[in-house]
Amino acid sequence: SQTIHQWPATLVQPVGSPLSLECTVEGTSNPNLYWYRQAAGRGLQLLFYSVGIGQISSEVPQNLSASRPQDRQFILSSKKLLLSDSGFYLCAWRERGVETQYFGPGTRLLVL
Amino acid sequence: GEDVEQSLFLSVREGDSSVINCTYTDSSSTYLYWYKQEPGAGLQLLTYIFSNMDMKQDQRLTVLLNKKDKHLSLRIADTQTGDSAIYFCAESIQSGGYQKVTFGIGTKLQVIP
Repeated sequence: SQTIHQWPATLVQPVGSPLSLECTVEGTSNPNLYWYRQAAGRGLQLLFYSVGIGQISSEVPQNLSASRPQDRQFILSSKKLLLSDSGFYLCAWRERGVETQYFGPGTRLLVL
Repeated sequence: GEDVEQSLFLSVREGDSSVINCTYTDSSSTYLYWYKQEPGAGLQLLTYIFSNMDMKQDQRLTVLLNKKDKHLSLRIADTQTGDSAIYFCAESIQSGGYQKVTFGIGTKLQVIP
């Protein structure tokens, strides 16, 4: 069966520091991968999606970047965090040809 | 454009039925989903319905889709305290070979014992 992992689960970082959040998927090949952010009291905002290794599309201009160095690995990064980057970051995957996305457990990021 | 709207809060007594409503704007939606998010956790897919269906039932869950009014509802029968969570409605649209999913803001369901 397929599983999706995210780490760390919680992160507290100072403003201006770098960020690296990791997401890995097991039990599937060549999935579509997604990064979402859920800010307090708001819905989910799609940040990035990837249809393959090295292929990243961005939905909104922002302080963050994403990379997909391996088929089942998706990384969310920032060189310098802003206060507004605080939120709950969710990774999701979708099997090609299947219309459903499955979510990881999330990473809660607090930028102080 | 795509927009999914939900009420923010619903409170029900244990054992009663809960009905969570959602409206969407894009008539080209292919699938509509309900996800459940418990505190501090990711989103769990509860159920989904294809856009050419009117109803789907899965144990205590019933999804009703009114395409004419672009209205989706989730009914939870015999609501339990474990059903307390935030419920997200979402619509899926195919755009240029890419599936875009738009989520509502989420409805917080509070179940009173």
